[in-house]
Amino acid sequence: DVKVTQSSRYLVKRTGEKVFLECVQDMDHENMFWYRQDPGLGLRLIYFSYDVKMKEKGDIPEGYSVSREKKERFSLILESASTNQTSMYLCASSSLNEKLFFGSGTQLSVL
Amino acid sequence: AQTVTQSQPEMSVQEAETVTLSCTYDTSESNYYLFWYKQPPSRQMILVIRQEAYKQQNATENRFSVNFQKAAKSFSLKISDSQLGDTAMYFCAFVPNFGNEKLTFGTGTRLTIIP
Repeated sequence: DVKVTQSSRYLVKRTGEKVFLECVQDMDHENMFWYRQDPGLGLRLIYFSYDVKMKEKGDIPEGYSVSREKKERFSLILESASTNQTSMYLCASSSLNEKLFFGSGTQLSVL
Repeated sequence: AQTVTQSQPEMSVQEAETVTLSCTYDTSESNYYLFWYKQPPSRQMILVIRQEAYKQQNATENRFSVNFQKAAKSFSLKISDSQLGDTAMYFCAFVPNFGNEKLTFGTGTRLTIIP
């Protein structure tokens, strides 16, 4: 079975902190994605990557950056966390023309 | 830009009954793919069913089936013989072509199956 692992299930950070959310997949997928999930808004794409060291902005990239130094790992970075970034963050991966596989999510609270 | 609309924020149904979740979308594309994802309390998103727009036949997966109306841009999910394990958030999603995996999601419907 494909496994997409997010490093933390729950995370509490302070305003202004630099936050790293890590995602690792074990199926050699080319594509990786970071989504944000908020009640009443569904899932919104933050960033995605089709290859190592490659990234593209999604629909809501402001306040976020990403890093993909290795094929299996895709990191989401909040340079200076703010309270409006309190949310559920979902990582996903896929191979070309295949369905998305999701991680279990990280619930981030910024105080 | 594509949009996906789920007009039912919450629904509930008795166990063993049939329930239909609604989804409409807007696109100028002629070929695209539609999905229903399930997110149970464990938060793990699971693909329920997939429909390819060029196929006229409605997709079916066991107790799950869709009613795909391309002209009306409607893509509803029917769950037959509902079970307690069907309790979850359900998201409708759209992608313009399968070489582009950037899905656009609806806002979700929270479905509760009542014992």
